[in-house]
Amino acid sequence: AQKVTQAQTEISVVEKEDVTLDCVYETRDTTYYLFWYKQPPSGELVFLIRRNSFDEQNEISGRYSWNFQKSTSSFNFTITASQVVDSAVYFCALSSIIQGAQKLVFGQGTRLTINP
Amino acid sequence: DTGVSQDPRHKITKRGQNVTFRCDPISEHNRLYWYRQTLGQGPEFLTYFQNEAQLEKSRLLSDRFSAERPKGSFSTLEIQRTEQGDSAMYLCASSPTSGRRNEKLFFGSGTQLSVL
Repeated sequence: AQKVTQAQTEISVVEKEDVTLDCVYETRDTTYYLFWYKQPPSGELVFLIRRNSFDEQNEISGRYSWNFQKSTSSFNFTITASQVVDSAVYFCALSSIIQGAQKLVFGQGTRLTINP
Repeated sequence: DTGVSQDPRHKITKRGQNVTFRCDPISEHNRLYWYRQTLGQGPEFLTYFQNEAQLEKSRLLSDRFSAERPKGSFSTLEIQRTEQGDSAMYLCASSPTSGRRNEKLFFGSGTQLSVL
């Protein structure tokens, strides 16, 4: 069975601080996708990134960066110089590639609050 | 893209009543998904369609739940004889079957169901 664990239920930091959201996953599949989605108060989940299991290169997009370590089954997300607009619930998710369609298994989410 | 739209945004019903939700995906997206999200948890997969064919259903989808996508465009999710445990946010998402945009799901803002 697939499982995603986000141990941090809530994080609160002051604006401009760096913050890392942890994600640990379990799967028996040898190939899979990992995702991060953002859910602002409006409720609509917004895609941030997809990573293939065979591509362990870290990725940076502006203030966002992702650290994928297959050896520890982790896919952590760091926001540099956080801003109030980053406040949201963030979900890590896992999907099997062989299933084709996006049948995602989500973690419980981390509520991030950025205080001015 | 006009986005995925869901109707209604909120639904309050009494236990035992039937409810129906509607989802309009992004036009030309072949795949349509339903997820359920309870308070403080990540979304859980319920079912998905490719065009009008319902290809997979989760064990979470009891006999009281039925989803349709009759013409491969909009979809409806009906819950019969609602129970208090059905209270949740019901999220719809869509994606194309090919191309770069296939890498992510486009989510609607959800229908919040409260069963009294």
